[in-house]
Amino acid sequence: AQSVTQPDIHITVSEGASLELRCNYSYGATPYLFWYVQSPGQGLQLLLKYFSGDTLVQGIKGFEAEFKRSQSSFNLRKPSVHWSDAAEYFCAVARDFNAGGTSYGKLTFGQGTILTVHP
Amino acid sequence: DAGVIQSPRHEVTEMGQEVTLRCKPISGHNSLFWYRQTMMRGLELLIYFNNNVPIDDSGMPEDRFSAKMPNASFSTLKIQPSEPRDSAVYFCASSLGLNSYNEQFFGPGTRLTVL
Repeated sequence: AQSVTQPDIHITVSEGASLELRCNYSYGATPYLFWYVQSPGQGLQLLLKYFSGDTLVQGIKGFEAEFKRSQSSFNLRKPSVHWSDAAEYFCAVARDFNAGGTSYGKLTFGQGTILTVHP
Repeated sequence: DAGVIQSPRHEVTEMGQEVTLRCKPISGHNSLFWYRQTMMRGLELLIYFNNNVPIDDSGMPEDRFSAKMPNASFSTLKIQPSEPRDSAVYFCASSLGLNSYNEQFFGPGTRLTVL
């Protein structure tokens, strides 16, 4: 079964500092990987995704993530954090899942990392 | 496009009452997902519809939970009777297709509190 681990429950950084959020996955085949952000009281918004090709992917809001197959990781990075980046971040892996004869993509989410930004 | 619309945004009810959560997916999307988010269990998939047909309901916790999608633009998740342990945020998401690479677009969620 696939699983996603986000080792850090809560991270605090100062505004302007760099950020790296860790994500490790467990999945036998080539995974589809996603990072979502959830602002307080809001739904999840897709930041970026990796399917194949270049292992460094760029997303919205200045975020990027690097897929490292050897480490089963997909860490999210941002060179300079803004106060508006304070939110909860979720890593997710999707795989094709068969139910009732229909194959569909099923997302499994990590537990999330809460980011606090100090001024 | 208005995105995925959910109502109500907040619901407070008493144990034993029936609760109905509503979702309008993005127009043109043929896949719809209901998720539940709790501190203890994180984000869990409850049920998935494709072309209005339930494909996978293995995540529905028990018979008290039921979901319907009578047409392409509307879905409901019903809890009857509700219990305090059902308190959570319930998200609806929709996507253009079945595959793993199809992005899921999430609604703002319904925060349910069962007293």
